[in-house]
Amino acid sequence: EVQLVESGGGLVQPGGSLRLSCAASGFIFSNSWMNWVRQAPGKGPEWVAIIKPDGSGTHCADSVKGRFTISRDNAKNSLYLQMHSLRGEDTAIYYCAKDLGWKQFDSWGQGTLVTVSS
Amino acid sequence: QSTLPQPASVSGSPGQSITISCTGTSSDVGAYNHVSWYQQHPGKAPKLLIYDVGIRPSGVSNRFSASKSGNTASLTISGLQADDEAHYYCSSFTTTGSLVFGGGTRLTVL
Repeated sequence: EVQLVESGGGLVQPGGSLRLSCAASGFIFSNSWMNWVRQAPGKGPEWVAIIKPDGSGTHCADSVKGRFTISRDNAKNSLYLQMHSLRGEDTAIYYCAKDLGWKQFDSWGQGTLVTVSS
Repeated sequence: QSTLPQPASVSGSPGQSITISCTGTSSDVGAYNHVSWYQQHPGKAPKLLIYDVGIRPSGVSNRFSASKSGNTASLTISGLQADDEAHYYCSSFTTTGSLVFGGGTRLTVL
């Protein structure tokens, strides 16, 4: 059974940084494209970033480009999202999601809440 | 962020069928057959119902079906059940290589 477990969320001040982690199990992580998707309170999901199976390529949404970096450690079956220069509009539940192809997500974690506020 | 327009809410009685539309453009829904639908119950993560316009993942009920015509995708739920009450989101791959989600539709089972 595929399991994705996010951690690292919390309360951070505007301009601050945070690193999210996602522990994966139940599938061959090193063969899978992986994503971060976020959902602000009361809103629909928003795709954030994607990373290739070997970590050699990444792509981020324009809204986070230059501030967020996605990475992975296949030896640890782990996905990461480093977030800098956080803003109020980054407040959301952040999910890691396994890619089925073309940014279609067949497995999601339970999410971790990031709150950006002073 | 921009989103694909969906009706804010739909409702139906148990056993009935409902359809949710997702209106895109030639840069997203109309450009590729990579349209997905997700179901989200309160406090839970989204669940994939449909991918590539009309394909159901293993384990998803055949009461869920979907299609696309031009720039508009549609999700149909037949034989409505109480547990179908949830939010439904479409998504589409875009010509810029990004992904856009729909604004979401709240389904109420009367």
